[in-house]
Amino acid sequence: EAQVTQNPRYLITVTGKKLTVTCSQNMNHEYMSWYRQDPGLGLRQIYYSMNVEVTDKGDVPEGYKVSRKEKRNFPLILESPSPNQTSLYFCASSIFGTGGRETQYFGPGTRLLVL
Amino acid sequence: AQSVTQLGSHVSVSEGALVLLRCNYSSSVPPYLFWYVQYPNQGLQLLLKYTTGATLVKGINGFEAEFKKSETSFHLTKPSAHMSDAAEYFCAVSDRSNFGNEKLTFGTGTRLTIIP
Repeated sequence: EAQVTQNPRYLITVTGKKLTVTCSQNMNHEYMSWYRQDPGLGLRQIYYSMNVEVTDKGDVPEGYKVSRKEKRNFPLILESPSPNQTSLYFCASSIFGTGGRETQYFGPGTRLLVL
Repeated sequence: AQSVTQLGSHVSVSEGALVLLRCNYSSSVPPYLFWYVQYPNQGLQLLLKYTTGATLVKGINGFEAEFKKSETSFHLTKPSAHMSDAAEYFCAVSDRSNFGNEKLTFGTGTRLTIIP
């Protein structure tokens, strides 16, 4: 079954404790992306990757890091989480198109609470 | 910069009634347009998309949307609401000229409630 998986699904942590949210896709997609969803703001892009070792900032990258060492995995790293990073996070993937026309497939989401 | 406006953060309709969720966008060029649905505690699922060609697009679960360039709109409709349609709906656009980043710019969402 084609899917995007995220782990963990729920996480409670404290300010400053480094954490990683994993994202994996089994569709051999080149493009992967992270979004955060906040009430009244919709989803906003954090980082994206066009392929292995190719990553770039989205609209709200501050406080986050990513890496793309393998095509299927795109972990999101919070080096020193702060309460304003409490949010619902989604990973997405698609085949590489020519400017936004390809369907993105979303993971189930990771709900993060930073105390 | 592109933006998406969804009119009405909450919409309630009776079961069997017409569903109309509004979406307007701003973009320097006609964008690619998407509607996603989010059921409680789940990720986003694509309902339908417009890229090129016919401006009336049919999606899953009986939904359809029409791209109207003159009105910069992409409203979502369904002739007869079902209880299972209760969810949050997001309109999104992506930039045709943004080679490489398939970024979606989302609206703030519309929560659809179905009244029995």
